[in-house]
Amino acid sequence: SYELTQPLSVSVALGQTARITCGGNNIGSKNVHWYQQKPGQAPVLVIYRDSNRPSGIPERFSGSNSGNTATLTISRAQAGDEADYYCQVWDSSTYVVFGGGTKLTVL
Amino acid sequence: EVQLVESGGGLVQPGGSLRLSCAASGFTFSSYWMSWVRQAPGKGLEWVANIKQDGSEKYYVDSVKGRFTISRDNAKNSLYLQMNSLRAEDTAVYYCARVRELEWFDPWGQGTLVTVSS
Repeated sequence: SYELTQPLSVSVALGQTARITCGGNNIGSKNVHWYQQKPGQAPVLVIYRDSNRPSGIPERFSGSNSGNTATLTISRAQAGDEADYYCQVWDSSTYVVFGGGTKLTVL
Repeated sequence: EVQLVESGGGLVQPGGSLRLSCAASGFTFSSYWMSWVRQAPGKGLEWVANIKQDGSEKYYVDSVKGRFTISRDNAKNSLYLQMNSLRAEDTAVYYCARVRELEWFDPWGQGTLVTVSS
């Protein structure tokens, strides 16, 4: 079965750039989607198909995907960006796979 | 406004049953695949099941196959999850979500909590 690996936690200084990785075998050949989940709330889509932002998501959120790693980049990090972030792919054999999630802390 | 509202969660004993519902509004429900995704307390997201627009195709994660049934009523703009033979490890918040392009989920409902305990 296909697996996605995320770091448990990432810290970033206020106003700096945070990068959250999502590792998977040849993930660059798949479309990767990212969700933000704040405590007590439902997940919200922030990036779809590697690098596309839904309407309403700030330009500070961007994504890339190549080789065995996809990356969610949050520029000019704000306190309001503190949340859990999950990557996700649609795999032909296991249908839907989520990464384990990364807790982003803004210092 | 696109909206999904889950209901039906609660406390149930091991081996019991529960039926979750998800009311959809603000979009043409019958045009989209739909899904259930769950999240155990303090844990990550786990996909549970998908259903095609007309209900003709359904897919499940292995851990719920034979116990859970996903269904929909397009006339009522509603999605359902019938959960039987519930186990402690099924304890989670259950979210319904609209599937986009058979790839990603947007939006998600607010979730409903299912607790399996004696």
